Formats: sequence, C-alpha cells, structure tokens
Amino acid sequence: DQQVKQNSPSLSVQEGRISILNCDYTNSMFDYFLWYKKYPAEGPTFLISISSIKDKNEDGRFTVFLNKSAKHLSLHIVPSQPGDSAVYFCAASRNSGGSNYKLTFGKGTLLTVNP
Amino acid sequence: ETGVTQTPRHLVMGMTNKKSLKCEQHLGHNAMYWYKQSAKKPLELMFVYNFKEQTENNSVPSRFSPECPNSSHLFLHLHTLQPEDSALYLCASSQDPGTTDTQYFGPGTRLTVL
Repeated sequence: DQQVKQNSPSLSVQEGRISILNCDYTNSMFDYFLWYKKYPAEGPTFLISISSIKDKNEDGRFTVFLNKSAKHLSLHIVPSQPGDSAVYFCAASRNSGGSNYKLTFGKGTLLTVNP
Repeated sequence: ETGVTQTPRHLVMGMTNKKSLKCEQHLGHNAMYWYKQSAKKPLELMFVYNFKEQTENNSVPSRFSPECPNSSHLFLHLHTLQPEDSALYLCASSQDPGTTDTQYFGPGTRLTVL
C-alpha cells in the first residue's frame, strides 16, 4: 500500500505562471517531508524540505506547504520557468528505529513548463 | 569526479549471469543507500549502510547482495536475477542516516534482465 501518493502523473503550465504539485500521505508517523527533482538520465536532486513542526517553507521561487490534519503537502513554483521541466518526487521520512531515517517516495509528477 | 557516480550506466544481463553495480561518493559522507525504481512505481529503499555497516535491509531477495568496503564505495552484486528485476538502480549518500540529512543521488544504472 502506497504511503506517499502523487495522484497527478503529469502537469503542464505556461512559463511565468504558478506550478502547484500535490502530495498526500497516509502514515501519521512521518515527520519530515522533501521534494526532489529529476531530469532525464540524472539522479534525483534535493529541492526543498519541511519539518512537521512547520506549515510552510520558502526558498526562492519554491515554497512547500504542509497541512498535517489533511496529510497533504504541496510544492509551489512561481514563476515557473522552462528549466523547471522535470519529474518531481515527493518523499516522507520517519525515524525507523535505531539510527535510521527511511525515505518513502511517491511515484512522481512530470512537470512541463511551456515557453 | 564530484558527487555520486555509478557504473555502469546501462547493463543487460541474462538470468544466469553474475554482475556487479558500483557506486562511489566523493562527498565525505558516512551513509550510503541502494534504491530501486521499477516502471510506474516509486523509488524503493533496498539497503542502508552507515559507516560501512549494513543497518537496513528492506526485505530484499538474496539474489541482491550489497557490499560496502569503505564509506566511499558501495557495490550491489547481482546473481540469478529475474526479468522483473529490470529497473533503474540508484545509489545515494548522506552525511549521517540518523538525521534528516539530504540524500545525494547518483545517475543510476538502468538494468535489463533478459
């Protein structure tokens, strides 16, 4: 059973507009959330994260919002640029005991930003 | 070389072959990871190594055998694989797995099992 869900496999937006990528999770033990971006033929790269004690984290054009009661987070990119076109993975983390933090990923959303 | 490198980038093997995937990180990290990404599925954690010691085996079949000779190198030895093992295998590293340290990924090895 998928614990992290990205229900939109793809999203297309116009350059300069806002991109909103959504992610839902089911495990209330998750306490840290991340977004990764992946270009073709490259590994995922870290984009932005948020701790469960916060509801918003902003880094330049990227903002992540967390709604714990709804078990939902979203990534806002504004303004969107063609170079943002990539697959975006939502990931959630929890302490799995001992010294480990396990990352659980969603399937990803392909964002296409059209010039 | 910088970051996390993986070789080979592509691998085709038969079910009776034995092959190995290699990962090297140049970031001075202490933790290394193997992930598997099958088509239409999310990335799945396979193994975690912390200071060369395996600290996590996510119920991975024994036909996958990891090896971590030092904190910079991680191998995944493959033998008698099945066609359903065809996937993208990603290596990652982080400073310390006991925290929320960012994981840095390599480009992956695209494995096809015939």
